[in-house]
Amino acid sequence: EAQVTQNPRYLITVTGKKLTVTCSQNMNHEYMSWYRQDPGLGLRQIYYSMNVEVTDKGDVPEGYKVSRKEKRNFPLILESPSPNQTSLYFCASSSSVSSYNEQFFGPGTRLTVL
Amino acid sequence: DQQVKQNSPSLSVQEGRISILNCDYTNSMFDYFLWYKKYPAEGPTFLISISSIKDKNEDGRFTVFLNKSAKHLSLHIVPSQPGDSAVYFCAAHTNTGNQFYFGTGTSLTVIP
Repeated sequence: EAQVTQNPRYLITVTGKKLTVTCSQNMNHEYMSWYRQDPGLGLRQIYYSMNVEVTDKGDVPEGYKVSRKEKRNFPLILESPSPNQTSLYFCASSSSVSSYNEQFFGPGTRLTVL
Repeated sequence: DQQVKQNSPSLSVQEGRISILNCDYTNSMFDYFLWYKKYPAEGPTFLISISSIKDKNEDGRFTVFLNKSAKHLSLHIVPSQPGDSAVYFCAAHTNTGNQFYFGTGTSLTVIP
């Protein structure tokens, strides 16, 4: 089954404790992306990757890191989480960055930073 | 600054009637627009899209209209069904960039 998986689905942590949210896709997609969803702000792009070893900042990259060492994986790293990073996070992938390719989204990771 | 805006946070419609969801954008370089549907506890799923060279695209009960001069697009659902109750996001993309820009979402409730 073609899918984007994220882990964990729910996470409660404390300020400053490094964490990683994993994302994996099995569709051989080139383009992968991370979004956060906040009330009244919709979905905002954090980072995206055009292909292996190619990553770039989206609209809200501060406080986040990513890596793309393999085509299928695109982990999101919070080196020192803060309460303002409490949010719902989505990973997405598409076959390319072309406008005409829809993005497939993972189920989401709800993160709470205390 | 929000480049894609959905000014109606919520909408309620009777089953069988038309649902119209609106989206405005500010960037004239956007050349492709997409609508996604999101159920609770799930990720968004693609619904329908439209290129800027068109003014209408239809897929079954769903039709998207684009008015480039007004920088406005709308999603029409006819007839609305209870299963259409979800949050709808519009999104936009430029052919010169690698980012996608999403609106704030409209929560649609279809009343049986």
